Amino acid sequence: GESVGLHLPTLSVQEGDNSIINCAYSNSASDYFIWYKQESGKGPQFIIDIRSNMDKRQGQRVTVLLNKTVKHLSLQIAATQPGDSAVYFCAENMGTGAAGNKLTFGGGTRVLVKP
Amino acid sequence: NAGVTQTPKFRVLKTGQSMTLLCAQDMNHEYMYWYRQDPGMGLRLIHYSVGEGTTAKGEVPDGYNVSRLKKQNFLLGLESAAPSQTSVYFCASSYTRVVQLNTEAFFGQGTRLTVV
Repeated sequence: GESVGLHLPTLSVQEGDNSIINCAYSNSASDYFIWYKQESGKGPQFIIDIRSNMDKRQGQRVTVLLNKTVKHLSLQIAATQPGDSAVYFCAENMGTGAAGNKLTFGGGTRVLVKP
Repeated sequence: NAGVTQTPKFRVLKTGQSMTLLCAQDMNHEYMYWYRQDPGMGLRLIHYSVGEGTTAKGEVPDGYNVSRLKKQNFLLGLESAAPSQTSVYFCASSYTRVVQLNTEAFFGQGTRLTVV
């Protein structure tokens, strides 16, 4: 079946450097994408979202890029801090009908920030 | 503001036992969801509800039942627990359909369930 997946299961980053987390999706009908951050022992926390009619969206220290041509999503974290150490998930939503109620999650990427 | 609260936080069950996980939200959200998270995998949707009195199947509904008798509560039941149901369970709620930009799904802290 169609699914959302990630290229790198673990990413080690030096504190202060930029992080890039990648995500590939296969469902061309997906309309909406979200990035979540999950710290150890906690539930996922919303970071940023993007709609399929956009190719870039910026938040505070984070930027999400969407390339619909190759079905690729990325999350960029600027000046990575120790508090950014967590597992990051991308999720997709098809936006219409009953499927619009649901998110399909990727497997997650662990980001480790080295001091 | 408590947000989304799950009880219990931890539980160990024997195969064949039953239990109910409770999710409560105080944000007046219409939509509520139950997910399970297994090692190395993302969250998979078990069941969800688009409003009081309604429920629908998600991606992996077998072996689970749910009820939404009150808007603020969403219960997940395991009638006869199996080792394959060992997982971390997350409840989430949202104000409206996920597709709305800036509509976030708020997650609870999770329930770690072990079935032996």
